[in-house]
Amino acid sequence: AQSVTQLDSHVSVSEGTPVLLRCNYSSSYSPSLFWYVQHPNKGLQLLLKYTSAATLVKGINGFEAEFKKSETSFHLTKPSAHMSDAAEYFCVVSDPSGTYKYIFGTGTRLKVLA
Amino acid sequence: DTEVTQTPKHLVMGMTNKKSLKCEQHMGHRAMYWYKQKAKKPPELMFVYSYEKLSINESVPSRFSPECPNSSLLNLHLHALQPEDSALYLCASSPPAGFGYTFGSGTRLTVV
Repeated sequence: AQSVTQLDSHVSVSEGTPVLLRCNYSSSYSPSLFWYVQHPNKGLQLLLKYTSAATLVKGINGFEAEFKKSETSFHLTKPSAHMSDAAEYFCVVSDPSGTYKYIFGTGTRLKVLA
Repeated sequence: DTEVTQTPKHLVMGMTNKKSLKCEQHMGHRAMYWYKQKAKKPPELMFVYSYEKLSINESVPSRFSPECPNSSLLNLHLHALQPEDSALYLCASSPPAGFGYTFGSGTRLTVV
């Protein structure tokens, strides 16, 4: 069965410092993995996705993530945080059985301090 | 057009009302979804339509009734809801599995 664990429920960083949001997954298959961002009272926006091509994936707004099969991780990073990055971030793994079900992590709330 | 459009953005309804949420996409996606999201929680899957047929119903109470009139539209009919059904209802669409969802901005539903 698929599962995804976001290791931190809250992360605080200062503006201009690096961001690291951690995600580990469990999968019997080669998974597709995604990071989504949700700003307050908004829908979810796709930041980036891994679908078995390059292991280092670049997304929007300067975010990137590295798929590490040996560590079953897909951590999200950004070199320099901006105030507008403050939001909820979800790591998601797809169910490869073709049912279209996606499994969401519990979310990480990123706070950016001025 | 790369958007999923949901209407209305906000809805307040009484427990005896009947209302509908609407979702529309013109990206040619053949899978469409309804999710429910409570505050400070991840979205919870309710229904999946694949090629206009209901393929997944996550044991959702019958007071929620989905409908997919065509490949671009998805409705969620609401009747006799409870206050605990108050939440953000999100619609999403996708091409084949593994390519990621496109979400709408949601309908904030309050049941009074």
